[in-house]
Amino acid sequence: DIVLTQSPDSLALSLGERATINCMSSQGLLYNSNNQNYLGWYQQKPGQPPKLLISWASIRESGVPDRFSGSGSETYFTLTISSLQAEDVAVYYCQQYYTPPWTFGQGTKVEIK
Amino acid sequence: EVQLVESGGDLVQPGGSLRLSCATSGFSFSGYSMNWVRQAPGKGLEWIAYISISTNTVYYAHSVEGRFTISRDNAKNSVHLQMNNLRVEDTAMYYCARVGGGATLDFWGQGTRVTVSS
Repeated sequence: DIVLTQSPDSLALSLGERATINCMSSQGLLYNSNNQNYLGWYQQKPGQPPKLLISWASIRESGVPDRFSGSGSETYFTLTISSLQAEDVAVYYCQQYYTPPWTFGQGTKVEIK
Repeated sequence: EVQLVESGGDLVQPGGSLRLSCATSGFSFSGYSMNWVRQAPGKGLEWIAYISISTNTVYYAHSVEGRFTISRDNAKNSVHLQMNNLRVEDTAMYYCARVGGGATLDFWGQGTRVTVSS
């Protein structure tokens, strides 16, 4: 099974600061036939279901603020929040859909300092 | 508006069974693959089951394979999860989620809670 390891487990930043969350995969997620990385990012606020932020490692979902961006390829991926807002307090998960069983990272909790 | 509404969660004893349902609306259900994802109290997300559009393809997490069965009823726009031989470690919030155009899980329900305890 593919293991996704996120770092850090948590981070506390001031409003307006940049947040960087990393996701490392135990095997490559780049499908050569279409040159796509099968990696998504989700945001989960307390008491709510997860919300999809990014597909294909870097494609932002409609309605997601442009302060959220995804990057990376193969085995190393990053979710960046360019300027942290109060409403971004949440747990963030990466997920691979390259091959079943699909797996999530353990989550990264983002808080305001 | 896309909506997914789970039901069927309950308190059940170890070894017991439950059937979860997810009623959907606001989209052409027969054109989308569906999943179940669970979250134990205070823990992260765990994908557990997938069913393709045509039901030809199903996948399960190792932790539930042989005990859980995913199915769908395209006429009723619903997806189900039959859970047998439940264990304490199956205690979780269970979410159904749609596979979107990006092959990620683009819409989620609010979840239904399953508690396995004696």
